[in-house]
Amino acid sequence: LAKTTQPISMDSYEGQEVNITCSHNNIATNDYITWYQQFPSQGPRFIIQGYKTKVTNEVASLFIPADRKSSTLSLPRVSLSDTAVYYCLVGEDPRGGSYIPTFGRGTSLIVHP
Amino acid sequence: DTGVSQDPRHKITKRGQNVTFRCDPISEHNRLYWYRQTLGQGPEFLTYFQNEAQLEKSRLLSDRFSAERPKGSFSTLEIQRTEQGDSAMYLCASRHTGENTGELFFGEGSRLTVL
Repeated sequence: LAKTTQPISMDSYEGQEVNITCSHNNIATNDYITWYQQFPSQGPRFIIQGYKTKVTNEVASLFIPADRKSSTLSLPRVSLSDTAVYYCLVGEDPRGGSYIPTFGRGTSLIVHP
Repeated sequence: DTGVSQDPRHKITKRGQNVTFRCDPISEHNRLYWYRQTLGQGPEFLTYFQNEAQLEKSRLLSDRFSAERPKGSFSTLEIQRTEQGDSAMYLCASRHTGENTGELFFGEGSRLTVL
């Protein structure tokens, strides 16, 4: 299982772009990178997933360099409601039979007015 | 679709008592997962089901813990002889294996406090 390292916490201000980087030096060929968001007293919520290069959806972008040893979640123009914990997960092909998402401690993002 | 629902949302019990949590997954989701989360930590995997079959259990799931999914729909997680260390948020999630991203849909959790 690939170990992930991400900052414990980050601070930002409304309207700014936030980039959260996750290191996963021992990522395997078949591993995918997934990010979840969790608000207090709620379960995590899927944000985005990628294998390589760049993925974008209506919420965020995910940048993955060619060596795939790290990834960056980019949140454009954050608002107070983006204050949450963000988890980077690295694991086998989710279409695989034994897929079990494994969470680390995540990054606590606080957005200030 | 009402999402994943968990019951009760909060449970306070005395040490040594038994507690049971229920999870109703999104209908037609064949995979159901249980996680435990303590303050400041990410969710820790406990066990998962494919339909009614329990396919994997974490070492965290001591013999005081038992989970079932008898008809492949709702699931229960029982903790016997609770200990203060069992105090945590118990999260249930479901997914359908035919979906490419493996996205888990989580409930809001059941918070257990053992006095």
